[in-house]
Amino acid sequence: EVQLVESGGGLVQPGRSLKLSCAASGFTFSNYYMAWVRQAPKKGLEWVATISTSGSRTYYPDSVKGRFTISRDNAKSSLYLQMNSLKSEDTATYYCARHPGSFDYWGQGVMVTVSS
Amino acid sequence: DIQMTQSPASLSASPEEIVTITCQASQDIGNWLAWYQQKPGKSPQLLIYSATSLADGIPSRFSGSRSGTQYSLKISRLQVEDTGIYYCLQRYSNPWTFGGGTKLELK
Repeated sequence: EVQLVESGGGLVQPGRSLKLSCAASGFTFSNYYMAWVRQAPKKGLEWVATISTSGSRTYYPDSVKGRFTISRDNAKSSLYLQMNSLKSEDTATYYCARHPGSFDYWGQGVMVTVSS
Repeated sequence: DIQMTQSPASLSASPEEIVTITCQASQDIGNWLAWYQQKPGKSPQLLIYSATSLADGIPSRFSGSRSGTQYSLKISRLQVEDTGIYYCLQRYSNPWTFGGGTKLELK
């Protein structure tokens, strides 16, 4: 059974940093692109970042480019999202997702609140 | 960026009815479209990929179709558990973009 478990969320002040983690199990992690997708409170879904199987290629939308960094450790079957220079508009639930094309499996999500 | 315009924003239907949700792409995306269901308080679940293919474990009451740049999700024989928000996703090009969502309520 595919499982994705996020951690690392919480309350952070504007301008500060936070790092999210996602522990994957139930599939060969190193064979899949992975992604982060977020959802602001009562809002829709927004893709945030994607990383290739080896980690050599990363993709971001303009809204987070230069502030967020996605990375992975295939030996640990883990995905990460380093978020710097956080803004209030980054407040959202962040989902880790397997990304072989569509986002086919999602974690339960972790809440990030950016507020002073 | 490719815009995905989803309609309606909300709808209410009775059990056993048939409903259709549509997404209009701002440009040609081929069959690179997926549909998701998000139940209250839960993470999204993949329903349909490649515009018409049913994801594993999804009931055959759900089906997807395409006409040009318009994509449709049809839910036949609505069940109470179909309550939730439905989203489309285009995966034709970066940035991958979702539709705004359709909130489905059962009467």
